Amino acid sequence: DAGVIQSPRHEVTEMGQEVTLRCKPISGHDYLFWYRQTMMRGLELLIYFNNNVPIDDSGMPEDRFSAKMPNASFSTLKIQPSEPRDSAVYFCASSLIRWNTEAFFGQGTRLTVV
Amino acid sequence: AQSVTQLDSQVPVFEEAPVELRCNYSSSVSVYLFWYVQYPNQGLQLLLKYLSGSTLVKGINGFEAEFNKSQTSFHLRKPSVHISDTAEYFCAVSEGNNDMRFGAGTRLTVKP
Repeated sequence: DAGVIQSPRHEVTEMGQEVTLRCKPISGHDYLFWYRQTMMRGLELLIYFNNNVPIDDSGMPEDRFSAKMPNASFSTLKIQPSEPRDSAVYFCASSLIRWNTEAFFGQGTRLTVV
Repeated sequence: AQSVTQLDSQVPVFEEAPVELRCNYSSSVSVYLFWYVQYPNQGLQLLLKYLSGSTLVKGINGFEAEFNKSQTSFHLRKPSVHISDTAEYFCAVSEGNNDMRFGAGTRLTVKP
């Protein structure tokens, strides 16, 4: 397996534009997580899915953020409209069955909103 | 809810010296503990984990950590570091309720 795949690796967009980040988890993993990493706040859990169903989205900062998982092999994180304070590295991770086993992270998407 | 405190934001050390990265957690129930490493421009990867059993856990790249329940600590150690160990290290705790919390990270810089 190629691991967790995220795209794009880098995204630069103007304030107000819609941004969509994509993630392909490892095949067979039942849990998928979206994290945001910034210097100020460190690594924050935004939302996670179990078997494609959102379980906890309490970390999503505001209504401008939304995440979907239409099937077991694909998830998106959308920001609409984007703002400069959304600039961060966004990581997707997946794990097998239970969260207290190893989580595998993608290489992240570096988002810059200007 | 659980929380994680990494006491040092930066740890500079010379090559071949020993290193300890400190991690304390707070939780009212049994926990699972992890250390992850993040190399520049990469995602996090697991170094080691404590789920149960022996309190001394050995991981990859010569790292080990010891779970101390009375002190609620899970410090990471390596007896002799290499330049290639320069990275950000994250301690994480899970109460097994499908939620993992990460510490703020410790940047380890190994100098020649």
